[in-house]
Amino acid sequence: SQTIHQWPATLVQPVGSPLSLECTVEGTSNPNLYWYRQAAGRGLQLLFYSVGIGQISSEVPQNLSASRPQDRQFILSSKKLLLSDSGFYLCAWNPGGGYEQYFGPGTRLTVT
Amino acid sequence: QKEVEQNSGPLSVPEGAIASLNCTYSDRGSQSFFWYRQYSGKSPELIMFIYSNGDKEDGRFTAQLNKASQYVSLLIRDSQPSDSATYLCAVRGFYFGTGTSLTVIP
Repeated sequence: SQTIHQWPATLVQPVGSPLSLECTVEGTSNPNLYWYRQAAGRGLQLLFYSVGIGQISSEVPQNLSASRPQDRQFILSSKKLLLSDSGFYLCAWNPGGGYEQYFGPGTRLTVT
Repeated sequence: QKEVEQNSGPLSVPEGAIASLNCTYSDRGSQSFFWYRQYSGKSPELIMFIYSNGDKEDGRFTAQLNKASQYVSLLIRDSQPSDSATYLCAVRGFYFGTGTSLTVIP
């Protein structure tokens, strides 16, 4: 069966510091991978998605970036965090060709 | 206009009642619709998807889709306290509503 992991689970970072969140999927190959952010009181916002190694599409221009260095690894990064980057970051995957989303446990980020 | 709209609630129903959750969407060309359940502090989990007009049943859950009116709904029969959560509607896979909070009162 497929499993999706995210780490860290929680993170407190000062404004202006860098960020690196990691997501890995086990038990499948060539998954579509997604990064979402859920801010307090707001819906899920799609940030990036990837259909293959090195292929990244950005939905929202901002100070975040994503990379997919391996088939089942997806990384979300920032060079300088803003207060507005606080939120619940969720990685999701699905088999190629589908639209359903299978979410990881998430990373709760607080920027202070 | 938001892509996907849901009544934020909260919606409260007594145990054993039917809970009805609604969602409207703006893109008339949308073809795929999903319902997710999110417990407080947890990540969303997929409960149902529907692609065709009409009803789709899975256990106590029924998804209803009306493309002409651009709405999709989720009915939960025999609601249980464990159904208390926020229910998210998603259209075309990635566009989520803000969710409806449901509380089932024992």
